[in-house]
Amino acid sequence: NAGVMQNPRHLVRRRGQEARLRCSPMKGHSHVYWYRQLPEEGLKFMVYLQKENIIDESGMPKERFSAEFPKEGPSILRIQQVVRGDSAAYFCASSQPGHNQPQHFGDGTRLSIL
Amino acid sequence: KQEVTQIPAALSVPEGENLVLNCSFTDSAIYNLQWFRQDPGKGLTSLLLIQSSQREQTSGRLNASLDKSSGRSTLYIAASQPGDSATYLCAAEQTGANNLFFGTGTRLTVIP
Repeated sequence: NAGVMQNPRHLVRRRGQEARLRCSPMKGHSHVYWYRQLPEEGLKFMVYLQKENIIDESGMPKERFSAEFPKEGPSILRIQQVVRGDSAAYFCASSQPGHNQPQHFGDGTRLSIL
Repeated sequence: KQEVTQIPAALSVPEGENLVLNCSFTDSAIYNLQWFRQDPGKGLTSLLLIQSSQREQTSGRLNASLDKSSGRSTLYIAASQPGDSATYLCAAEQTGANNLFFGTGTRLTVIP
């Protein structure tokens, strides 16, 4: 499958636990974006990464959230000490470098907090 | 800050009808305007990307137009089919930003 792969598809956590969401970009894509879709809301940008670099994290909450895109392996979005309000669908997208390059999206991870 | 709005929020049409989905954006300083389709429980599928220097793009039964000066884009779907039922999202890639600004979508139902 040459598409953007996200796992897990569904993740259930209790309040206070940690959530780790993984994203493998399309082959040949070096840019990764994370978006969050809250119920009944549009997708909101969280963070933009290139290999080993965070380029723009202006949409990321200041606390509990972090992201990385290591030299080897998938991009990881990490949420520490989850709260009910973190329940959402988290989407990863990847693209080739440059503007006007379409972003290709994965199927998302649905995070539910009990 | 870029604000993207889509009207209507939901639309139902009989099969075979032509339809238009609307998207408006507040800041015309964009690289491009993209249209996506989202099926329930799925990710987004890219449909069309219109660069800021272009007026329209076509793919099969889909035609998207862009009017930067008025801050509007439309997605025209010809001869709609039940398989077209989905939520359609538009998104603007704004100059100076590294991300897409999304509208909240139009949920389309095509009735057989």
